[in-house]
Amino acid sequence: SQTIHQWPATLVQPVGSPLSLECTVEGTSNPNLYWYRQAAGRGLQLLFYSVGIGQISSEVPQNLSASRPQDRQFILSSKKLLLSDSGFYLCAWSRGSNEKLFFGSGTQLSVL
Amino acid sequence: AQKITQTQPGMFVQEKEAVTLDCTYDTSDPSYGLFWYKQPSSGEMIFLIYQGSYDQQNATEGRYSLNFQKARKSANLVISASQLGDSAMYFCAMREESWGKLQFGAGTQVVVTP
Repeated sequence: SQTIHQWPATLVQPVGSPLSLECTVEGTSNPNLYWYRQAAGRGLQLLFYSVGIGQISSEVPQNLSASRPQDRQFILSSKKLLLSDSGFYLCAWSRGSNEKLFFGSGTQLSVL
Repeated sequence: AQKITQTQPGMFVQEKEAVTLDCTYDTSDPSYGLFWYKQPSSGEMIFLIYQGSYDQQNATEGRYSLNFQKARKSANLVISASQLGDSAMYFCAMREESWGKLQFGAGTQVVVTP
């Protein structure tokens, strides 16, 4: 069966520090991968998606970047965090563009 | 423009009662899919049910059913026989064929009381 792992679960970082959140998928190959951000009490905003290794599409201009160094690995990064980067970050995968998404357990990021 | 609208920020429902969560959407694509997800306090997003725009019948999954009214562009979720474990945030989402990515509404917080 397929599983998705996302870590860490919580993270507190000072403003200006770097960020690296990692997400890996097991049990499937060539998944579509996604990073979403959820502000407190609000819906999900798509940040990045990837249909293959090295293929990253950004949905909104921001202080973050994403990379896919391996087929089932998706990394969310920042060189210098801003206060506005605080939020709940969710990684997700799907078999194809028209398939349902399976989500990871999320990372609560607090930038202080 | 907002593609998915969930007008109920929060709802209380008594255990064993049914509850309807509203969702309206906006698209000009003839082909699209509608999804409902549940997010408990742990934060994980759990897929509940899916309705395709060309599906003739309303989708059902156990205690969940989707009241799909295409002409009104609504896709309400009905939870029958509510349980305490149903307390969570519920999100409606849509994928348009032309764009291909899932867009979420703002969510509805459901609290089930004994």
